[in-house]
Amino acid sequence: DIQMTQSPSSLSASVGDRVTITCRASQSIANFVNWYQQKPGKAPKLLIYAASRLQSGVPSRFTGSGSRTDFSLTISSLQAEDFATYYCQQSYSNPLTFGGGTKVETK
Amino acid sequence: EVQLLESGGGLVQPGGSLRLSCAASGFTFSSYAMSWVRQAPGKGLEWVSHITSSSAGTDYADSVKGRFTISRDNSKSMLYLDMSSLKAEDTAVYFCAKRSGGVQYILDSWGQGALVTVSS
Repeated sequence: DIQMTQSPSSLSASVGDRVTITCRASQSIANFVNWYQQKPGKAPKLLIYAASRLQSGVPSRFTGSGSRTDFSLTISSLQAEDFATYYCQQSYSNPLTFGGGTKVETK
Repeated sequence: EVQLLESGGGLVQPGGSLRLSCAASGFTFSSYAMSWVRQAPGKGLEWVSHITSSSAGTDYADSVKGRFTISRDNSKSMLYLDMSSLKAEDTAVYFCAKRSGGVQYILDSWGQGALVTVSS
């Protein structure tokens, strides 16, 4: 199975901060990475697919980048509604696997 | 608007069985593959199972293989997960999720989840 290692596991930030979350795959996976946001008690929401493509309706402050083994999700200016947990997911090979999550908390 | 609504969760004893259902609306259900993903309390996301649009193909995580069965009824826009020989480690919120079209396996819509608790 392909392992997805996210870092950090948590971070503290303030509204307006630039936040970057990274995800490393255990093998090369081209651009087969998606990013999800999850708020407590809610379902995950797709933000970014194919490493860098913004899902319809998602604010442009979210950007994804990377290829092969190293990927990142950046929030250019953190908003109050962005405090949540973020997960990467690979779809290069079965089984689908997720990173361990990054919890973005208020400083 | 895509809507996915899970039901059937609850408390079950170890070794017991349970069926989860997911009612889909707002899209042509028969055209899309579907998955189940679970989340143990306070933990991350774990993919559980997948079924193709026509039910021709299914797949399972090793942790549930031989115990869980995924199925669908396209005439009713329903997705199911039959769970048997349940273990304490199966305790989780179970989400049904729709796969988008295309080459990559992207889960573009999710239900709100159904809690399954396995405990005596």
